[in-house]
Amino acid sequence: QKEVEQNSGPLSVPEGAIASLNCTYSDRVSQSFFWYRQYSGKSPELIMSIYSNGDKEDGRFTAQLNKASQYVSLLIRDSQPSDSATYLCAVKGRNNDMRFGAGTRLTVKP
Amino acid sequence: SAVISQKPSRDICQRGTSLTIQCQVDSQVTMMFWYRQQPGQSLTLIATANQGSEATYESGFVIDKFPISRPNLTFSTLTVSNMSPEDSSIYLCSVGGYSYEQYFGPGTRLTVT
Repeated sequence: QKEVEQNSGPLSVPEGAIASLNCTYSDRVSQSFFWYRQYSGKSPELIMSIYSNGDKEDGRFTAQLNKASQYVSLLIRDSQPSDSATYLCAVKGRNNDMRFGAGTRLTVKP
Repeated sequence: SAVISQKPSRDICQRGTSLTIQCQVDSQVTMMFWYRQQPGQSLTLIATANQGSEATYESGFVIDKFPISRPNLTFSTLTVSNMSPEDSSIYLCSVGGYSYEQYFGPGTRLTVT
């Protein structure tokens, strides 16, 4: 089992729709969870962090964490073509290092 | 967040040679890391660069191939030694302070011919 798994996609949504990105992790003691956005040819950019169970909202982005189910998700409301990118789920490991999922490529169609 | 720069931004190297990549941060940071991102793949941690001591390498990465230095809290280097085409990749440094978050530099795109 991979440490961090994401739905592989690609995911395509129409402009204005909600994009839902999912991630599961294997290390039950993980406490810190992150979503990065990576545009083609660019480095990853941190867009959300979440540490407690429940929802965390920041603008059009909502991160959801369920530690009992070892599940993290990212919702993007009112999706825009500029949201088209690869989204990486990351989990902070025991030694303060990040473990990344394979990423989900999102395309938002005008 | 800190401003992170990497040099070079890209390079084309011949097999058997070595390349040293520099990572500079505009403020002192506790943690610095080096990652590799192969074409179409996600990020793989190479090592944690420890200030004043030897780097901590992940499984599959060894010091002879990827020597790392971290002489102070704002600077680190990663050397890719005796390169082969399989080393063609993007190499990224990241930094983390007392918060849990990590931020990435712009990356170095390496092509080995």
